[in-house]
Amino acid sequence: GAVVSQHPSWVICKSGTSVKIECRSLDFQATTMFWYRQFPKQSLMLMATSNEGSKATYEQGVEKDKFLINHASLTLSTLTVTSAHPEDSSFYICSARDGEVGGQPQHFGDGTRLSIL
Amino acid sequence: GQNIDQPTEMTATEGAIVQINCTYQTSGFNGLFWYQQHAGEAPTFLSYNVLDGLEEKGRFSSFLSRSKGYSYLLLKELQMKDSASYLCAVMDSNYQLIWGAGTKLIIKP
Repeated sequence: GAVVSQHPSWVICKSGTSVKIECRSLDFQATTMFWYRQFPKQSLMLMATSNEGSKATYEQGVEKDKFLINHASLTLSTLTVTSAHPEDSSFYICSARDGEVGGQPQHFGDGTRLSIL
Repeated sequence: GQNIDQPTEMTATEGAIVQINCTYQTSGFNGLFWYQQHAGEAPTFLSYNVLDGLEEKGRFSSFLSRSKGYSYLLLKELQMKDSASYLCAVMDSNYQLIWGAGTKLIIKP
């Protein structure tokens, strides 16, 4: 089946640090990848849609200068949380879709738990 | 606006059957997905329905009625490992996934 790898799994760092999270589709090419954020006991919140070779589409309320997304190839998208602060602490999850839009499910990476001290 | 409703929490007994309902109102419809999410983990895909009717996959089945804007996930022969949150998501006319808040399922021995 479709496998999505996300790295790192855990990040603990000081306030003001920038953190990069990688999302890779291992056995398929993903034209589109998605970045989500999830706070404890809450549902997934879509942050942005990452399109290979073009700019990401951000959801309302998500700061694009704060959350930099790069989708340089069909198998890799990165999310960089710039100058992270404690309020950015959250569970960040990427997903990718295998194939045409149709009825293809999104396959999720294992998520990155980010803790800013 | 777009809206997906599912119960916040349900409790069931090991070995029993449970049905998790999902109702939706979205701008267009290109299918409905069910995902399972264990605490602290990412969601995993369970099922996809785009036509009316029941899709069976082992112990799990998913039903869709487009005219009623309604779906349910049926879990049979419940096991302790089925304790998780179950997320209903609808793909709208723009092929965007609209997520429900999830139903936390608690399985008791």
